Amino acid sequence: GNSVTQMEGPVTLSEEAFLTINCTYTATGYPSLFWYVQYPGEGLQLLLKATKADDKGSNKGFEATYRKETTSFHLEKGSVQVSDSAVYFCALSDTSGGSYIPTFGRGTSLIVHP
Amino acid sequence: GAGVSQSPRYKVAKRGQDVALRCDPISGHVSLFWYQQALGQGPEFLTYFQNEAQLDKSGLPSDRFFAERPEGSVSTLKIQRTQQEDSAVYLCASSLRRLEESPLHFGNGTRLTVT
Repeated sequence: GNSVTQMEGPVTLSEEAFLTINCTYTATGYPSLFWYVQYPGEGLQLLLKATKADDKGSNKGFEATYRKETTSFHLEKGSVQVSDSAVYFCALSDTSGGSYIPTFGRGTSLIVHP
Repeated sequence: GAGVSQSPRYKVAKRGQDVALRCDPISGHVSLFWYQQALGQGPEFLTYFQNEAQLDKSGLPSDRFFAERPEGSVSTLKIQRTQQEDSAVYLCASSLRRLEESPLHFGNGTRLTVT
């Protein structure tokens, strides 16, 4: 079956530090990959996505590259801000494998201190 | 009102009570999903609708859980004879078309506490 594994949190950083949140996946087909973000008190919202190998998704200074050879989709940002404090969810949707239902990781909490 | 709306925001139920959770998706969105999110975990799939048709209910944990979307817009998730393990946040999400063509839009969820 399909699954997503994310690094344990919380990740605690100082403002302007470099961020990496690791995500690896298992899929029977050829999935699309997503990062969703949940700010305090709000619903999940799409941050970025990539639909094929070597694609790079990017938004708000965040980026992630679809690596088929390592089945990974790590989230990175060069300089985090306090406002980036949130929970980040990696997800996949494997329409080619016949299961289009989005599968989510457990989430990684990011705390950025001034 | 542009977003997915869920009500109530919080629900406390005594064990054994029935509850009904409502989701108003974004107008015109074809696909609708229900997820269950336990504390510190990611969303776990419950069921999926395309318009009024329930295409997948494989994630519903027991026959106490029932979902409907009779007119292809508003959806209701009903839990009968609630148990303590049903305590979680229930998330609704909608998308305009097929998933690979448009992203999921989530509501803020309903936090259910069963005492």
